[in-house]
Amino acid sequence: SQTIHQWPATLVQPVGSPLSLECTVEGTSNPNLYWYRQAAGRGLQLLFYSVGIGQISSEVPQNLSASRPQDRQFILSSKKLLLSDSGFYLCAWIRDHNSPLHFGNGTRLTVT
Amino acid sequence: GNSVTQMEGPVTLSEEAFLTINCTYTATGYPSLFWYVQYPGEGLQLLLKATKADDKGSNKGFEATYRKETTSFHLEKGSVQVSDSAVYFCALSAGGGNKLTFGTGTQLKVEL
Repeated sequence: SQTIHQWPATLVQPVGSPLSLECTVEGTSNPNLYWYRQAAGRGLQLLFYSVGIGQISSEVPQNLSASRPQDRQFILSSKKLLLSDSGFYLCAWIRDHNSPLHFGNGTRLTVT
Repeated sequence: GNSVTQMEGPVTLSEEAFLTINCTYTATGYPSLFWYVQYPGEGLQLLLKATKADDKGSNKGFEATYRKETTSFHLEKGSVQVSDSAVYFCALSAGGGNKLTFGTGTQLKVEL
């Protein structure tokens, strides 16, 4: 069966520090991968998606970047965190358009 | 662009009450529609979906009907339980990349 792993579960980082969140998917190949951010009272915002290794599409201009170094690995990064980067970050994958979106358990990031 | 509008929460109900969470959408073409549920501290899980007009998605006693004429996909359940307390997200999928556009979420609290 397929599983998705996201880590860490919680993270507290000072303003200006770097960020690296990892997401890996098991049990499938060539999934579409997504990073969403859930800010308080704002629902889910799609940040990045990837349809293959090295292929990244950015949905909104921001302080973050994403990379896909391997087929089932998706990384969210920042060189210098801002207070506004605080939120709940969710990684997700989908096999094809007939399949549901599967979410990881999320990373709660607090920038202080 | 695509958008999803959900009724604001929180919605507080007594156990065994009838639930309706309204969802309307704007999209080009013929989107697929989804309801996702997020239990406290977890990622999102697919609750139900409908891929074409007049389809009814159902799961765990919840149901929603894809109404193209009113661009709506309202979530209903005849008798809620305390265990249904969660945040419910309406979403649509349209266009390339299998990207989902989410509503802001509606928190449901069910009390004894």
